[in-house]
Amino acid sequence: QSVLTQPPSASGTPGQRVTISCSGSSSNIGSNTVNWYQQLPGTAPKLLIYNNNQRPSGVPDRFSGSKSGTSASLAISGLRSEDEADYYCAAWDDSLNGLVFGGGTKLTVL
Amino acid sequence: EVELVESGGGLVKPGGSLRLSCVASGFTFSSYSMNWVRQAPGKGPEWVSSISSTSTYIYYAASVKGRFTISRDNAKNLLFLQMNSLRAEDTAIYYCAKADAVVVGSNFDYWGQGTLVTVSS
Repeated sequence: QSVLTQPPSASGTPGQRVTISCSGSSSNIGSNTVNWYQQLPGTAPKLLIYNNNQRPSGVPDRFSGSKSGTSASLAISGLRSEDEADYYCAAWDDSLNGLVFGGGTKLTVL
Repeated sequence: EVELVESGGGLVKPGGSLRLSCVASGFTFSSYSMNWVRQAPGKGPEWVSSISSTSTYIYYAASVKGRFTISRDNAKNLLFLQMNSLRAEDTAIYYCAKADAVVVGSNFDYWGQGTLVTVSS
């Protein structure tokens, strides 16, 4: 059972917009920034969104993040087949004194 | 270009020990906190441990505290994870990850390719 809760799966057709939610608590998302990671099959996770809504260099602006209270969301617009991957949210937890990840959302592009 | 290369994984019996290493290049190693993250087969990533840039602050996940020790050698751009009293549930790919700050708790902007640790009799 992950500290951060994500839906296990999401799907969409090419060109659509999908959102992935991440629910936490006051000790993690409520008091720290949220980061999102994308993991393609057989590869290491890659930073996708940091500080709630910032994109690292090279990440397309189709990806966006937001945070409100103890929840965060990742939105992907103009869905493409190469977006098919696992997505994880993460945040520092002040009570646990450690980083916590969501359980992950497997995105399928239909 | 930032590069992180892990080594030291392998097959070990329950109760055994392993020492993982991560050699870093392409950035000023001594200016960033570093981390270990593991991923069991078919599961999501699990944070293991973090160490601040000067080793002042060190944190461990509850699942490894007392068994694992993180350390770093800033002169040699090396990060280590000493793993003792290994259990079957420690079986995972272990990733070395660079944080985007001096202090612990920021995002992990670069990851290594991982090294596989298998604990089995």
